[in-house]
This record gives sequence, C-alpha cells and structure tokens, in this order.
Amino acid sequence: GNSVTQMEGPVTLSEEAFLTINCTYTATGYPSLFWYVQYPGEGLQLLLKATKADDKGSNKGFEATYRKETTSFHLEKGSVQVSDSAVYFCALSDGTGGFKTIFGAGTRLFVKA
Amino acid sequence: DADVTQTPRNRITKTGKRIMLECSQTKGHDRMYWYRQDPGLGLRLIYYSFDVKDINKGEISDGYSVSRQAQAKFSLSLESAIPNQTALYFCATAGQGNLGSYNEQFFGPGTRLTVL
Repeated sequence: GNSVTQMEGPVTLSEEAFLTINCTYTATGYPSLFWYVQYPGEGLQLLLKATKADDKGSNKGFEATYRKETTSFHLEKGSVQVSDSAVYFCALSDGTGGFKTIFGAGTRLFVKA
Repeated sequence: DADVTQTPRNRITKTGKRIMLECSQTKGHDRMYWYRQDPGLGLRLIYYSFDVKDINKGEISDGYSVSRQAQAKFSLSLESAIPNQTALYFCATAGQGNLGSYNEQFFGPGTRLTVL
C-alpha cells in the first residue's frame, strides 16, 4: 500500500541556517504530494503541494520538488526563522481522486535565535 | 471565524465513559475525516465520509463510531473510552479540486482527549 517516510526529528537549527527535511514515498499510480505544518496548539495547515512529477511547490520561502525517479519530496528552506519552529508532515494522496491522505510521522523543527 | 471547528477543545474522562467529539465546517465541503495523532505516529485515519450517506472505516476504527448528521457536521464517538484512546483528535474536510480530484485537507484545531 501507499506509505510516506520522513526523517526523524527533532531537528534543531540556528536562525538563518539551511533546512532540509527528507521525505520519500511509496505509491502506485500518480499521487499528489504535500507538506503540512503544525504550529504549537493548532491543527495542520497546508504548506505546499505538487501534483505531478517535476513540479515544484513553494510557499513562505519553503520549497519541495516532486521527484518521481527517486520517489522523494524533500522540504527545503534557505534561511529558517524562529517562527518556523513547528512539526512538518509529508503526505500523499493517491491518484484515484485523492480521497485519502497518507501522512508521514512528522518531523519537529526547533529554530534557536 | 474558523472554517473547521471542533468541540470540546480539551476533555478529561474516565475509563468506560461514552464521549462524543463534534466537528462543524462552513467550507461547504462534502468530504470529512477524523484522525488521531500520537507522538511519533503521525496522523492515523479513524473514519471518513464522502457525504451524508457514505461513511467508511479508516485504518484504526475499532472502538470508535461516527455520525454524519449533515453535510457540515461529523461527530466521533467513543462508546466506552479506554486509556489508550488518549490522544489528539483532528477533524478535516476536503472539497473537489481541479480536474475532479480532491487535494488539500483543511483541519480543525484539534481536541485533546485524556482517558484516565
């Protein structure tokens, strides 16, 4: 079945450091891929998405590229801020209408001032 | 006002009690979901509903039941709560995206449930 694997956390960085959170997936067909972010005390919210191979999703300085050949969707940001501290979830929805979303375990990011 | 609301936000109960968690949405979406979140396990799907007459079990439905009272309301019940149901519970909705696909899910703020 479909699955998502993302790097374990927590990840601790200093402000302005470069961020990479790895995500790989297993899926049949052509899923859509997502990164969701969960700030403390809140629900998840969509950060970015990509719906086909080689698409790049981007938002708030974050970006991720849908790599079908390596089945990956790594999240990157060139310069993190303290306000980026949160839990990040990689997810996929299957190609048949996307009615179910499979989430990774989440990666907690701490950014120090 | 929030598009997806959940009540209560926090609940402490005792083993064996019946608990209902409620979710309402104003987004006009037809699809609604219940997830539980446990540390290190991400989100796991409990139940999902495509419309009022269509309810489906997710990967961890045992011990839970749901009711879709209207397009905008989807309730989760624990008939007899047990301590390992202590978790953070999220409701989510999804509408139809481009080309007939369903993409982004919109989440409520969560209900923190503690079963003693």
